[in-house]
Amino acid sequence: GQNIDQPTEMTATEGAIVQINCTYQTSGFNGLFWYQQHAGEAPTFLSYNVLDGLEEKGRFSSFLSRSKGYSYLLLKELQMKDSASYLCAVRDRNYGGATNKLIFGTGTLLAVQP
Amino acid sequence: DTAVSQTPKYLVTQMGNDKSIKCEQNLGHDTMYWYKQDSKKFLKIMFSYNNKELIINETVPNRFSPKSPDKAHLNLHINSLELGDSAVYFCASTTGTAFRENTEAFFGQGTRLTVV
Repeated sequence: GQNIDQPTEMTATEGAIVQINCTYQTSGFNGLFWYQQHAGEAPTFLSYNVLDGLEEKGRFSSFLSRSKGYSYLLLKELQMKDSASYLCAVRDRNYGGATNKLIFGTGTLLAVQP
Repeated sequence: DTAVSQTPKYLVTQMGNDKSIKCEQNLGHDTMYWYKQDSKKFLKIMFSYNNKELIINETVPNRFSPKSPDKAHLNLHINSLELGDSAVYFCASTTGTAFRENTEAFFGQGTRLTVV
């Protein structure tokens, strides 16, 4: 089966750094994605990891450890507009070679305070 | 131009009715999906089509029937709507799978379905 866990809510201060953790269990791991979703809007892609290590993209970085089934999203220099839900999603290759099955966690609602 | 577009954006209907949601993508992607996001914001996959062929069919009531007339379109028809069907339905698309390739999903803006 598949299971993805994230904290439900987090609060951080503008200008600070916040780390959002994600742990997963899946038999056919083939990549991990982070998405951002503002209230009432569609999820938008932030980052992708398939090999162990850190991927950096501006103020956002994502880390993966496949042996531990663990990832985190790091947001630096927080801005008020970063207040959103952050969704961890794992791609499972056990559904055949013709498609991706993205399994989402329940998301972490981040509130950035002044 | 919108990459993945869904219509309608809002849908309010009575129990027992039949309704359809349409989705179109102009990205040239091979694979399209329907996801349901409930009140707890949990995004759960319902169906996936690859080149008009059904690939993923999760445990969804058979009142829900997807139809893909071509690889750029994936519509969702729902019969005999129930109160529990109220949710936001997202359409998404990706390129075909290549091992370890970044195949990010592009989502439509969502359809907020309210059954009264």
